[in-house]
Amino acid sequence: DAGITQSPRYKITETGRQVTLMCHQTWSHSYMFWYRQDLGHGLRLIYYSAAADITDKGEVPDGYVVSRSKTENFPLTLESATRSQTSVYFCASTPTGGGQPQHFGDGTRLSIL
Amino acid sequence: GQQLNQSPQSMFIQEGEDVSMNCTSSSIFNTWLWYKQDPGEGPVLLIALYKAGELTSNGRLTAQFGITRKDSFLNISASIPSDVGIYFCAGQLSGANSKLTFGKGITLSVRP
Repeated sequence: DAGITQSPRYKITETGRQVTLMCHQTWSHSYMFWYRQDLGHGLRLIYYSAAADITDKGEVPDGYVVSRSKTENFPLTLESATRSQTSVYFCASTPTGGGQPQHFGDGTRLSIL
Repeated sequence: GQQLNQSPQSMFIQEGEDVSMNCTSSSIFNTWLWYKQDPGEGPVLLIALYKAGELTSNGRLTAQFGITRKDSFLNISASIPSDVGIYFCAGQLSGANSKLTFGKGITLSVRP
């Protein structure tokens, strides 16, 4: 039972580069989410998706792009990375919109130099 | 926007002690969740609460959904070293596309 997996676990890149963080879940959950976690801010929602081909902005979407062509995958792309995007990124999923808890991956630690 | 308040930011307790954490909001939520995050890992669900007044236990953990629906607390009894971590509360409105509002978390340290 793989659950929800994120890759890579660690990534170092340079400002201006494009980088894609991957998220894959094996539960066939409808909803998927991307968060970033920074000291003093807790978890902040970047983007979410209610189903394949349906995505919407969260609290801090600027500088990020998402897609959801398949239910099980929800990649997050930083089109031109900036130092302020150095963070730990978490993907989460939940079966429905009816109050079910979200289940999180183990995160990707991204450093932008 | 909505905010969940968790304080203090850090707590230090002695092994064997009980500890209580509060989470308050200016808005009403229909679901309250408590998560724990260990270093280098993602948050893991501890307890989910779905009804005002509900009291739910999970081993040494007990959580309650406040009657006003604007608060929740988590109690850990007889703490042990592996209780160390960050504890987050999260609130959810029904019909909110399952979006959660998180508190900033409380870092718990347990002295042996």
